[in-house]
Amino acid sequence: AQSVTQLDSQVPVFEEAPVELRCNYSSSVSVYLFWYVQYPNQGLQLLLKYLSGSTLVKGINGFEAEFNKSQTSFHLRKPSVHISDTAEYFCAVVSLNDYKLSFGAGTTVTVRA
Amino acid sequence: DVKVTQSSRYLVKRTGEKVFLECVQDMDHENMFWYRQDPGLGLRLIYFSYDVKMKEKGDIPEGYSVSREKKERFSLILESASTNQTSMYLCASSGGGTAGAGPLTLYNEQFFGPGTRLTVL
Repeated sequence: AQSVTQLDSQVPVFEEAPVELRCNYSSSVSVYLFWYVQYPNQGLQLLLKYLSGSTLVKGINGFEAEFNKSQTSFHLRKPSVHISDTAEYFCAVVSLNDYKLSFGAGTTVTVRA
Repeated sequence: DVKVTQSSRYLVKRTGEKVFLECVQDMDHENMFWYRQDPGLGLRLIYFSYDVKMKEKGDIPEGYSVSREKKERFSLILESASTNQTSMYLCASSGGGTAGAGPLTLYNEQFFGPGTRLTVL
């Protein structure tokens, strides 16, 4: 199975500042890539996904992510965060040899005024 | 709206008890999943099912079993609960092709329930 590494466990950020959440994966085969968000006391919901095509993917709530095959990365970015973006963010990967979804450990984003 | 519901938000059980966690989805999804979520470990797949009466082991199936008798319902069973099974349990479902399409549809977006926080004393 592939492994997914989220390089930052906690990211504090001020409102209206940009944020980048880093995700790297290890897989020797082609992959599909996802970012999920979990708001406090809620289940996870999909932010965006990369299956094929353009390596820059736009998602909901102003988030975007860029797939870099050579660096096996899928970093998530938002140019200006809001208080409501406070949540835990999970990177997830499906490799095309077993189709199982593997999650990273999560990055907690705390947005302060 | 896709809805995945879980039978309890909070559950407290004693060591050795048999525990049932129920999950129901209303979107006619073929695929259903059980994860546990622990701080610093993210989500880990326990079991999944891509069709009624079908089940596949995930990454950490030990100590758990599952049942899928109807398409909309996927149950997680702890035969004899232990303290190391104290965790948040998340159920998810995803759509796919026709029944029997198997794992080829497992990459579709997963819709999650709100979770059950289980404490085993």
